[in-house]
Amino acid sequence: QVQLVESGGGVVQPGRSLRLSCAASGFTFRSYGMHWVRQAPGKGLEWVAVIGDNGNKKYYGDSVKGRFTISRDNSKTTLYLEVNSLTPEDTAVYYCAKEGAFNNWYFDLWGRGTLVTVSS
Amino acid sequence: EIVMTQSPATLSVSPGERATLSCRASQSVSSNLAWYQQKPGQTPRLLIYGASTRATGIPDRFSGSGSGTEFTLTISSLQSEDFAVYYCQQYNNWPITFGQGTRLEIK
Repeated sequence: QVQLVESGGGVVQPGRSLRLSCAASGFTFRSYGMHWVRQAPGKGLEWVAVIGDNGNKKYYGDSVKGRFTISRDNSKTTLYLEVNSLTPEDTAVYYCAKEGAFNNWYFDLWGRGTLVTVSS
Repeated sequence: EIVMTQSPATLSVSPGERATLSCRASQSVSSNLAWYQQKPGQTPRLLIYGASTRATGIPDRFSGSGSGTEFTLTISSLQSEDFAVYYCQQYNNWPITFGQGTRLEIK
């Protein structure tokens, strides 16, 4: 079954860290760039980060640059997002998403998301 | 950063009628434009990529057009399941950016 399943979200205090995971199955994970996209409650979609198929290329949105780190383990078909120095503005559902075709950065497969709530 | 502006913010249309949603980019994105549908509590669903190519399994009542800075998503005859929020997304330049969304509601 082709799917992405995120985990690792939860309630965390400002300034703390979390590691989000996204387990992929049903497709050749190592052949696609992977992304994180987030959505604050009641708001629109915000692209967060991308990692190339072999991990060689990484880009970040301005709001998370320097605080978030994207990585992947192709042997485990898993994508990660290390989120540090969290603020209430980082509260959102975090989706992992697969690029539609090699180096074409639209998203044809999304996970159900994991909710990160930053609150004291 | 390329700013994507969608209009209108909310569109009220009766079932069976046509809906036209607009998306404008602050600079050219060529044809690197995608459209997504999101229903409450659900994950976004890819509808259109390359400005006009329907994704797998998307009904042909959905069509996309445009290039450069002006894009349109047309739903030819609205079904009850089409009432949702629609987002455009450019993937021509980093960072990838989304429009703020258009809410399509039943009139």
